[in-house]
Amino acid sequence: AQKVTQAQTEISVVEKEDVTLDCVYETRDTTYYLFWYKQPPSGELVFLIRRNSFDEQNEISGRYSWNFQKSTSSFNFTITASQVVDSAVYFCALSELNSGYSTLTFGKGTMLLVSP
Amino acid sequence: GAGVSQSPSNKVTEKGKDVELRCDPISGHTALYWYRQSLGQGLEFLIYFQGNSAPDKSGLPSDRFSAERTGGSVSTLTIQRTQQEDSAVYFCASSLMATSGGGSTDTQYFGPGTRLTVL
Repeated sequence: AQKVTQAQTEISVVEKEDVTLDCVYETRDTTYYLFWYKQPPSGELVFLIRRNSFDEQNEISGRYSWNFQKSTSSFNFTITASQVVDSAVYFCALSELNSGYSTLTFGKGTMLLVSP
Repeated sequence: GAGVSQSPSNKVTEKGKDVELRCDPISGHTALYWYRQSLGQGLEFLIYFQGNSAPDKSGLPSDRFSAERTGGSVSTLTIQRTQQEDSAVYFCASSLMATSGGGSTDTQYFGPGTRLTVL
């Protein structure tokens, strides 16, 4: 069975600090997808990134960057120069194909608190 | 364009009552998913629709839960004889397809959720 572990329950940083959110996954499939979603205090889930298992290139989008390492089954998320608006719960998720369709398995989330 | 919408945004009900939660997916998305988020937890998969059919209902926690989708669009999640442990935020998500012929998977976009409180 697939599993996603986000070992950090809560992280507190001061504005402008860099912060890395860890995500470790387990899967038996060779084809799978990894996602990060942001859940701000308002409660909605905002899609951040999707990465397939064949693409291990790191990705940068503004202050956000993702480090995918198949060797360690990790898909970590770094926010550079954090801002108060980054305060949210961040979920890592894994998608596998089951009988021709995919569902997401979520980690329990990491709450990031950025203080001014 | 318009995102996934859900109604109501909040629902408070008494134990034993039935509730209906509604999801309106993004136009053109054929795949629709229901998830549940209990307090302080990640999201738990409940059920998936491809078009109007639901090939996998294994995530539904009990036979008090059911869902339907008509016309390949709007979906309703019904919980009968609600219990206090049903209290959670129920999210709906949609994607273009559940999977493509190449074994790809489409990104799921989530609605704002319905917060259900069973007293």
